[in-house]
Amino acid sequence: EAQVTQNPRYLITVTGKKLTVTCSQNMNHEYMSWYRQDPGLGLRQIYYSMNVEVTDKGDVPEGYKVSRKEKRNFPLILESPSPNQTSLYFCASASQGPHYGYTFGSGTRLTVV
Amino acid sequence: GQNIDQPTEMTATEGAIVQINCTYQTSGFNGLFWYQQHAGEAPTFLSYNVLDGLEEKGRFSSFLSRSKGYSYLLLKELQMKDSASYLCAVRDSNYQLIWGAGTKLIIKP
Repeated sequence: EAQVTQNPRYLITVTGKKLTVTCSQNMNHEYMSWYRQDPGLGLRQIYYSMNVEVTDKGDVPEGYKVSRKEKRNFPLILESPSPNQTSLYFCASASQGPHYGYTFGSGTRLTVV
Repeated sequence: GQNIDQPTEMTATEGAIVQINCTYQTSGFNGLFWYQQHAGEAPTFLSYNVLDGLEEKGRFSSFLSRSKGYSYLLLKELQMKDSASYLCAVRDSNYQLIWGAGTKLIIKP
């Protein structure tokens, strides 16, 4: 089954404790992206990657890191999480064709206390 | 700047028809998407428009007018399971998706 797999689904952590949210897709998509979603603000892009070893900042990159060493994986790293990073996070992937829609992972609900 | 506007919330009755509007101002245009998102779940793809006109897919239709920077999603024969948020997104000249904040649709019996 074609899918984007995110882990974990839920995570509660403490301020300053480094964490990684994993994202993996099995569709051989070139494009991958991370979003956060907060009430009333919609989806905001954190980072995206057009292909292996190519990453770019989105609208809200501060406090986050990413890497794209393999085509299928695009982990999101929070080196020192803070309470304002409490949010619902989605990973998405897409092919580079002229008509492509994003396929989203199931989401990770992160709480930083 | 880039901007996508859609109503925050709409209410409709089961069995009825509802139209959700989306207006956009973006740097370039390479297609408009509609997604459905149930609370706490991932968005799922509904429709894609790149040329002016109406695209019909079952109970859902989407319309685009590029000259007016306008789109709507039309939902017919509403069912309770259609209660969700509907997200409008435009792909800009850099092939990035710009997202609206979403319209929460409440269906009443």
